[in-house]
Amino acid sequence: NAGVMQNPRHLVRRRGQEARLRCSPMKGHSHVYWYRQLPEEGLKFMVYLQKENIIDESGMPKERFSAEFPKEGPSILRIQQVVRGDSAAYFCASSPSDTEAFFGQGTRLTVV
Amino acid sequence: SQQGEEDPQALSIQEGENATMNCSYKTSINNLQWYRQNSGRGLVHLILIRSNEREKHSGRLRVTLDTSKKSSSLLITASRAADTASYFCATAPAGGTSYGKLTFGQGTILTVHP
Repeated sequence: NAGVMQNPRHLVRRRGQEARLRCSPMKGHSHVYWYRQLPEEGLKFMVYLQKENIIDESGMPKERFSAEFPKEGPSILRIQQVVRGDSAAYFCASSPSDTEAFFGQGTRLTVV
Repeated sequence: SQQGEEDPQALSIQEGENATMNCSYKTSINNLQWYRQNSGRGLVHLILIRSNEREKHSGRLRVTLDTSKKSSSLLITASRAADTASYFCATAPAGGTSYGKLTFGQGTILTVHP
């Protein structure tokens, strides 16, 4: 059973471009969570999704950020018109529902 | 202070010594978890302790939880250079079923010198 898979591991975007981060949960896991880690800081919750539903997006910035978890395929975190302040590590976690979540290796986004 | 704050921010010890890290939180929790993160890498889940538990062991790790003080500690015994990493506590809120919606602390940077 493969772990939570995130890709790409590293992503470089110029200011104004779009960044798309993908997360494939562990097999059998229907809950996905996205976190952001700014340099030298802990992880901050962004959004919690189940298949085709956003359950909790209380940590998502109001603009430019969106997330989806379609019926088929990975969960996607999309950042439009990236700015330098979006540079961070973005982690995805998945859980089956009633146990702890398992984290992926993260995607490190650098905006130049 | 924020939910899930670790203390100290940085800890430097010699190989073989014990390392103790503390975590405080503010709101009621369902469980508290400790994670390790090597520099620039992903998170490794170390141990989970539920709100009705007081102590838990896993190998060289010992975690305690005091819900009356809203605090937890992580003890690493007989430390090794390979234990050098950042350690984070994370809390899952009480009353919910969202076990993955965690509040992380700022982390303790542990350096173990050979």
